[in-house]
Amino acid sequence: NAGVTQTPKFRVLKTGQSMTLLCAQDMNHEYMYWYRQDPGMGLRLIHYSVGEGTTAKGEVPDGYNVSRLKKQNFLLGLESAAPSQTSVYFCASSSSGVKQFFGPGTRLTVL
Amino acid sequence: KQEVTQIPAALSVPEGENLVLNCSFTDSAIYNLQWFRQDPGKGLTSLLLIQSSQREQTSGRLNASLDKSSGRSTLYIAASQPGDSATYLCAVRWDTDKLIFGTGTRLQVFP
Repeated sequence: NAGVTQTPKFRVLKTGQSMTLLCAQDMNHEYMYWYRQDPGMGLRLIHYSVGEGTTAKGEVPDGYNVSRLKKQNFLLGLESAAPSQTSVYFCASSSSGVKQFFGPGTRLTVL
Repeated sequence: KQEVTQIPAALSVPEGENLVLNCSFTDSAIYNLQWFRQDPGKGLTSLLLIQSSQREQTSGRLNASLDKSSGRSTLYIAASQPGDSATYLCAVRWDTDKLIFGTGTRLQVFP
């Protein structure tokens, strides 16, 4: 099992560009999450999903959109990137919302 | 507001020492608490999960305790080794869907 994978690993964008981060899990988990990690801030929840076709806002959802069209995939979109969205993005999944398994992260820089 | 605090932010100890990492949280009505390990440039690995009804959990040289009434958890690492060097994150769940993370303690164990 690959566990939780994230694509891409690194990306550099210019302000105003758009992109989509892909998270995939092969553990048949119902719950999936997107976090961002910034120095001195810890991990903060952006959006999450409790099942295929569902999404919900987390702590810092502004500027991001998500979709969960398939149970194994959770996409995070930035429609118009801003320098404030420079961060490391982590995806996680869990079967019951209790123990979360994390991906390796995507390092995004917005110039 | 529900918050998680970890002190100290960084800790450096010689190999072989027993050490304690601290986590405090603002609302005692927690669902559960998790300790994670994060290596530089990597994702998070779950170490221990303590349910609200439990007082402690153990895994090898790691022991995590929970005192809900005082809003505190400690992670005890016995006989520390250089391989234990990493950032340790505490995360609290107050409802069934979301984790709130502390900012972590960066641990260095030198030979």
